[in-house]
Amino acid sequence: NAGVMQNPRHLVRRRGQEARLRCSPMKGHSHVYWYRQLPEEGLKFMVYLQKENIIDESGMPKERFSAEFPKEGPSILRIQQVVRGDSAAYFCASSREMTNQPQHFGDGTRLSIL
Amino acid sequence: DQQVKQNSPSLSVQEGRISILNCDYTNSMFDYFLWYKKYPAEGPTFLISISSIKDKNEDGRFTVFLNKSAKHLSLHIVPSQPGDSAVYFCAASARDNAGNMLTFGGGTRLMVKP
Repeated sequence: NAGVMQNPRHLVRRRGQEARLRCSPMKGHSHVYWYRQLPEEGLKFMVYLQKENIIDESGMPKERFSAEFPKEGPSILRIQQVVRGDSAAYFCASSREMTNQPQHFGDGTRLSIL
Repeated sequence: DQQVKQNSPSLSVQEGRISILNCDYTNSMFDYFLWYKKYPAEGPTFLISISSIKDKNEDGRFTVFLNKSAKHLSLHIVPSQPGDSAVYFCAASARDNAGNMLTFGGGTRLMVKP
């Protein structure tokens, strides 16, 4: 979807395991955003990153969640010790390095916790 | 506290007629607004955006209207087509963000009947 690549598309974990979600932004985009969509709800902002920097993580839960966007490779959203409430669709978006540019989304990773 | 609200969870329209989707916001700092369309199991697809310096933006069958005094925006689709059936999200960002963090409404499910 619009060139933002997310994998895996589906991820099943048992409670207590770790989940790693990957996102490669569109070519030419240097800003990456992660959003979470719980069932029957809209998307909620989690974190905004540029290469090697976390710019805004105001939407991230305080514990167990972390994100990175290394100099090389995709952005990673990491959830440690997953719980049932982490089950959701996680979407990554990217945009150009300018204000008021639309964000383009990947098709998401659907995380299911058993 | 929902800063962006879509009060109609669903809307049904006959093919060829106009679809009007509405969105209200409360944060007066929002200065950039977007509409996304989302099919099941896919990521949101960017449709159209509008900056707060404008009150209308048009792109083909899609027109977005912004009423800043009422803190209200709407998306008009004319003529509506069955392929437009999807969930539509409005989103907004504020000039005081470090980046373009988006705040989403809860979505409106549009059904266009042939």
